[in-house]
Amino acid sequence: EAGVVQSPRYKIIEKKQPVAFWCNPISGHNTLYWYLQNLGQGPELLIRYENEEAVDDSQLPKDRFSAERLKGVDSTLKIQPAELGDSAVYLCASSLGAGVYDTQYFGPGTRLTVL
Amino acid sequence: QKEVEQNSGPLSVPEGAIASLNCTYSDRVSQSFFWYRQYSGKSPELIMSIYSNGDKEDGRFTAQLNKASQYVSLLIRDSQPSDSATYLCAVNRKGNTPLVFGKGTRLSVIA
Repeated sequence: EAGVVQSPRYKIIEKKQPVAFWCNPISGHNTLYWYLQNLGQGPELLIRYENEEAVDDSQLPKDRFSAERLKGVDSTLKIQPAELGDSAVYLCASSLGAGVYDTQYFGPGTRLTVL
Repeated sequence: QKEVEQNSGPLSVPEGAIASLNCTYSDRVSQSFFWYRQYSGKSPELIMSIYSNGDKEDGRFTAQLNKASQYVSLLIRDSQPSDSATYLCAVNRKGNTPLVFGKGTRLSVIA
């Protein structure tokens, strides 16, 4: 069974440029998460989707970040414009559901460097 | 007090020894607990999950949970250099709430 797929794996951009990350979850997983991980820290949730619906986006900086999950499968996270402080690893994860016992599986992540 | 706390390490143990990784959490209603392993430059990989008080064993790994003390630990027996990684503790308070991660403990197994 294929795991969570993310692209690109690495991205280097200049500040104020836009950037987009793509995620394909494990087949059959209804819940999709985008996390931000800074060096030396644990992942922090940006947004969670239940099928197509964003059910928890309280930590998403909505002035510059946006996300979508069309047809309840693939998802895209966008930053426009990027700032120096956005340099981090962006992780996508998926789970069968959002229950307390549902395990989240992570993709390889996208390492973003903003110059 | 942070929701999930871990000693950042590094924790150094000799090859073949038992590595003990600890995690405390602040929310008493937390129901599920996960240990992820993260190699440098890689994404978190699930090692074990535990939901009930007591021990849960899987190969060389044992997770221990004490809800009264709000404490969860991971023991790695016969530690190998390939176990050298950062171990993340994650706690889920209840359904439809975010999984909260600690900062991770960096483990170094010395050959």
